This record gives sequence, C-alpha cells and structure tokens, in this order.
Amino acid sequence: SYELTQTPSVSVSPGQTASITCSGDKLGEKYTYWYQQKPGQSPVLVIYQDSKRPSGIPERFSGSNSGNTATLTISGTQAVDEADYYCQAWDSRTVIFGGGTKLTVL
Amino acid sequence: QVQLVQSGAEVKEPGASVKVSCKASGYTFTSYDINWVRQAAGQGLEWMGWMNPNSGNKGYAQKFQGRVTINRSTSMSTAYMELSTLRSEDTAVYFCARGVAGYDDSTGYYMYYFDNWGQGTLVTVSS
Repeated sequence: SYELTQTPSVSVSPGQTASITCSGDKLGEKYTYWYQQKPGQSPVLVIYQDSKRPSGIPERFSGSNSGNTATLTISGTQAVDEADYYCQAWDSRTVIFGGGTKLTVL
Repeated sequence: QVQLVQSGAEVKEPGASVKVSCKASGYTFTSYDINWVRQAAGQGLEWMGWMNPNSGNKGYAQKFQGRVTINRSTSMSTAYMELSTLRSEDTAVYFCARGVAGYDDSTGYYMYYFDNWGQGTLVTVSS
C-alpha cells in the first residue's frame, strides 16, 4: 500500500522560513494536500493541489511537489503557525495521510 | 457558511458498537462526499472511509472493512458512521470531513481532499 513519510518535528525561529517535507513513491505524479492542526482543534486545509491556497490562508503558506517529495513552505513563520502539519494524497481509491510533522516556533 | 456538526461524546464498553452523526449545512449535501477520519490521542490522522451522499456509493479503508458502516439521510443532510466490535484501541476522536473530488483536466490528475471538517467526536472504549 502507498505510504507518505514526514519528518516528525521541525523547529524554526520566528520570521524564518520553515520547510516541511512529505515523501512517497512518485508523489510528484499525484496531487498533495496539506492540513494544519492545532491542539484540540480540527484540521484545516492550508494547501490543495500541491500549491494552491484556500481563501483565508495567509500568503506565507506555499507548496510544491516534484519527484518523490512534496514541500510545505511557511515564509516569515509566526508563533501562530506552531501546529501539527499533515500531508495527504489519493491513491488507488484510498486517502493516505502522512504521519504528521510538529512545527515548533522557538 | 459550510458547517459539519457532529454528535456528542460517547463512552462504550468493549465489544459494543457506536454510531456518530454529522449534520451538514450551508451547502447542497448531495454535491460532496462525506469522509470519516479518526485520531487517537497524540497520534496522526487515520482515514476510515467515504460516502457519496447522492449515489450512496461508499468505500472503506482496508483496516476497517467489515467493522465500519457509513450511511446517510439525504432528507436530514446527515451522515452516519457506525463502528462495531469496539476495542480499547478504537478510543479516539472521530471527524467527518467534506470531500472534494474530481479530475483536473489540465493535468489528468485526480483530486481528492477535505475542505471542511466537523468538530470531532470523542469515543472512549472502556470497561
């Protein structure tokens, strides 16, 4: 079965750029989606179709996907961005989630 | 605005079943899939299955085949997820999520993602 792999944790200083990666076999040949989840809250879609931002999501969130790796980039990271981030893809009529990355803003 | 409102927390004994509801509003219920995703404490997201409220077609993750049933009431714009033969490992928060699906003509890729989520329902399995 298809698997998505994420680094468990990433740390970034306020104002710096955070990069969160998601890897899977030929992931660049599928769409990748990203969700942000803060403690005690439901997930929120922050990137869809690799690089598109839903309305209301700040411009500092961007995404890319090529080869075997999709990347969520947060430019000018703010304290409010501290959260868990999950990548997601669709394969063989199944939704696949990555294991999640905890972003810490130090 | 789109809202998915789920039923309240449940406590069940091992071996029992639980049924969680998800009432949709703010959009045409039959125009989007409803999915169920669960999350154990401190763990990641785990997809359970989907349903197309218009056709009634559904699909389940292999892990839950035979134990999960997703249904809907179109008159009430409500989806239901029933999980049977509960065990302690099923203790988790269960989310419903609206699924956006379709082909992107420009790339030929199929898209499937969740643009709105319910607030979650805590199901505790304990004797």
